[in-house]
Amino acid sequence: EAGVAQSPRYKIIEKRQSVAFWCNPISGHATLYWYQQILGQGPKLLIQFQNNGVVDDSQLPKDRFSAERLKGVDSTLKIQPAKLEDSAVYLCASSQIGSYNEQFFGPGTRLTVL
Amino acid sequence: AQSVTQPDIHITVSEGASLELRCNYSYGATPYLFWYVQSPGQGLQLLLKYFSGDTLVQGIKGFEAEFKRSQSSFNLRKPSVHWSDAAEYFCAVGPPLRGSQGNLIFGKGTKLSVKP
Repeated sequence: EAGVAQSPRYKIIEKRQSVAFWCNPISGHATLYWYQQILGQGPKLLIQFQNNGVVDDSQLPKDRFSAERLKGVDSTLKIQPAKLEDSAVYLCASSQIGSYNEQFFGPGTRLTVL
Repeated sequence: AQSVTQPDIHITVSEGASLELRCNYSYGATPYLFWYVQSPGQGLQLLLKYFSGDTLVQGIKGFEAEFKRSQSSFNLRKPSVHWSDAAEYFCAVGPPLRGSQGNLIFGKGTKLSVKP
């Protein structure tokens, strides 16, 4: 079974530029999560989708971050414009409904904002 | 407020020695509990989980964890550490509702180094 796929793996941009990350969850997983992991911290949830609907986006900085999950499969997370403090690893995870929250994580995208 | 505390930022053990990583949580009810491992440049891999029942749970790679309700703790243990166990370990809690897809709250992690 293929795992959660993410791209790109690394991205370097300058502040005020925009960037987008892509995630393809495990086949059949209805729930998809985006986490932000700042160096030295644990992952923090940014947004959770169930199918193509948003379940929780309370910690998403909506003035600059946006995410979508068209057709309930792939998802993209966008930052526009980026700030220095957005430098982090962005992790995508997926889980099955009724799986007691067992989330499977992708390798992440490491973003550096200069 | 809901939180997870991993008091040890960095631990170094010798190969073959035993290991215990500490995790304490603050939650309104007994949450679901998880331990994840993250190798450099990799995503998080689930080591083990606790939902209910036997308070000593077994996971992959020879790890186990014990849930102690009175201490709000879920410490991770391994009797004999291998060099390949060097990684960062995260404790996490989630809402105790069957079928819930709620938010996981992670600790800040403990980095494990293994001496030859």
